[in-house]
Amino acid sequence: AQKITQTQPGMFVQEKEAVTLDCTYDTSDQSYGLFWYKQPSSGEMIFLIYQGSYDEQNATEGRYSLNFQKARKSANLVISASQLGDSAMYFCAMREGPDSSYKLIFGSGTRLLVRP
Amino acid sequence: DVKVTQSSRYLVKRTGEKVFLECVQDMDHENMFWYRQDPGLGLRLIYFSYDVKMKEKGDIPEGYSVSREKKERFSLILESASTNQTSMYLCASSLSGSSYEQYFGPGTRLTVT
Repeated sequence: AQKITQTQPGMFVQEKEAVTLDCTYDTSDQSYGLFWYKQPSSGEMIFLIYQGSYDEQNATEGRYSLNFQKARKSANLVISASQLGDSAMYFCAMREGPDSSYKLIFGSGTRLLVRP
Repeated sequence: DVKVTQSSRYLVKRTGEKVFLECVQDMDHENMFWYRQDPGLGLRLIYFSYDVKMKEKGDIPEGYSVSREKKERFSLILESASTNQTSMYLCASSLSGSSYEQYFGPGTRLTVT
């Protein structure tokens, strides 16, 4: 079974509008972490935001926020005020298991295109 | 700034060749990782290392081996390259600790003909 599901292979958004990228996860662990990465056409993966399973508040980093709904096992990324430079692939990833486990499991990604 | 570098951006090798992909990080990170990225599949972990000379298999280790003789360097070895190993290979490093993000290198696009 897929551990991380990103159901939107591609999305468009108008510049300056907000966009939500979906991510659902599957784990039976109580302790886990969720990450979002951006991959521009240059290929390098850029860390955006992290949410721990015990964090009570939704994580925010500048224009990025993570809409964490634990009961629904979803961790959607919200980008506010989209910019042309936000056009990229976006990957959701999960670390599960004990704290000594550093493995990340990645979803298949969503390609976001920001229209001027 | 964390810097993770990979020895080549593009590499073309022939079937059966032994291939070395090198990764170096300059931030004294304990953990290092090798992933391959294929369209529609996201990133899949090949091997990771949490200390010098220590390694653990990831999800798809078959056909690969790794070496970590120094803390800053993690090498991926394709013992006998095959066409199904044509892919983008990404190296990453991180501090120890569950909430620390992984920092990625620019990737090596390997083509095996």
